[in-house]
Order: sequence, then structure tokens, then C-alpha cells
Amino acid sequence: GNSVTQMEGPVTLSEEAFLTINCTYTATGYPSLFWYVQYPGEGLQLLLKATKADDKGSNKGFEATYRKETTSFHLEKGSVQVSDSAVYFCALMGAQKLVFGQGTRLTINP
Amino acid sequence: NAGVMQNPRHLVRRRGQEARLRCSPMKGHSHVYWYRQLPEEGLKFMVYLQKENIIDESGMPKERFSAEFPKEGPSILRIQQVVRGDSAAYFCASSWGETVHIQYFGAGTRLSVL
Repeated sequence: GNSVTQMEGPVTLSEEAFLTINCTYTATGYPSLFWYVQYPGEGLQLLLKATKADDKGSNKGFEATYRKETTSFHLEKGSVQVSDSAVYFCALMGAQKLVFGQGTRLTINP
Repeated sequence: NAGVMQNPRHLVRRRGQEARLRCSPMKGHSHVYWYRQLPEEGLKFMVYLQKENIIDESGMPKERFSAEFPKEGPSILRIQQVVRGDSAAYFCASSWGETVHIQYFGAGTRLSVL
């Protein structure tokens, strides 16, 4: 079946550091891929998406590229801010439902 | 995603009581999904509904859980005879159209079973 594996957290970085959160997936076919972000006490917000191989999703300085060869969708940001502290979820869409990774808690220190 | 409205935001129940969670999708959205998030875990799919129809309930526990999305009114997730293990955050999402790539999430209902 479909599954998503994320880099285990928690991840703690200093402000302006470079961020990578790894995500790999297992799926039949070529599913759409997503990154969602969850701030404390809130629901999930769509951060970015990619619907086909080699697509790059980007938003708020975050980027992720759909890599079919490595079945990966790693999240990157060149310079993180304290306000980026949250839990990040990688997900794929299969049969009209989202399959999520376990989430990576990110803390950015000033 | 502020358009998907869930209530209540917090719900406390004693073991054996019933919990009813409500979800109003974004305007124009006819597809509703329910997910459950256990502490320190990712979200797990429970059920997918369209108006008056359950499309996929493969993630729903076989007993005590039910969901509906009537022609009029919000979608309801109902949990009968709650147990401590039902304590979790329950999120509703909605989408529209035949190609439903993007799901928009509500803020969730946090259920605590005492």
C-alpha cells in the first residue's frame, strides 16, 4: 500500500540556518505530493504541492521537488525564521485520501 | 483553510458517553474527509463522504464510529460509548470537483475522554 516516511525529529536549528526535512514515499503510480504545516493548537495548512515528476512546489521560501527516480519530496528552506517553528507533514494523495508521514517537529531558536 | 469550520474545538466526555463532532466544509465544497491524529503521530484517514454518500470508510473502526454528510447541514462524526483510546484530535477536510487534489483542513476537535 501507499506510505510516507519522514525524517525523524525533533529538529532544532538556529535562525537563518538551512533546513532540509527528508521525505520518501512508496506508492503505485505517480501520486500528487504535499507538504502541510501545523502550528501549535491549529489545523493543517497546505504549504506546497507537486502533481507530477520534476515539478517543484514552492511557498514562503520553502521548496520541494518531486523526484520520481528516488521517490522523494524533500522540503528545503535557505534561511529559517523563528516563525517557521511548527510540525511539518509530508503526504501523498492516493484514491482521494491523503496518506501522511509521522511529522517532523521543527524548532528555530533566535 | 479557515473556511472549514469544526465544532466544538474541545470536547470532554466520560467513558461510555457519546461524542458528536461537526464539520461544515468550505463554501462550494461537496467532498468531506475525516482524519484522526493520535498524540505525537501523523494523521490517519478515517472516512471520505460526499453529500448523502459514504465513498470510502476503510479507515473507520468497525464498531462505535459512524459518519454522515446529509443533504443539508454539516458532516457529523459520531463516536458511541467512548473509551480513553478515542482521545485524539479529529480533523475534517473538504475539497471540490472531480479532480480533488487539494484538501483544506479545519482547526480540529480535540476529544478528551476521562
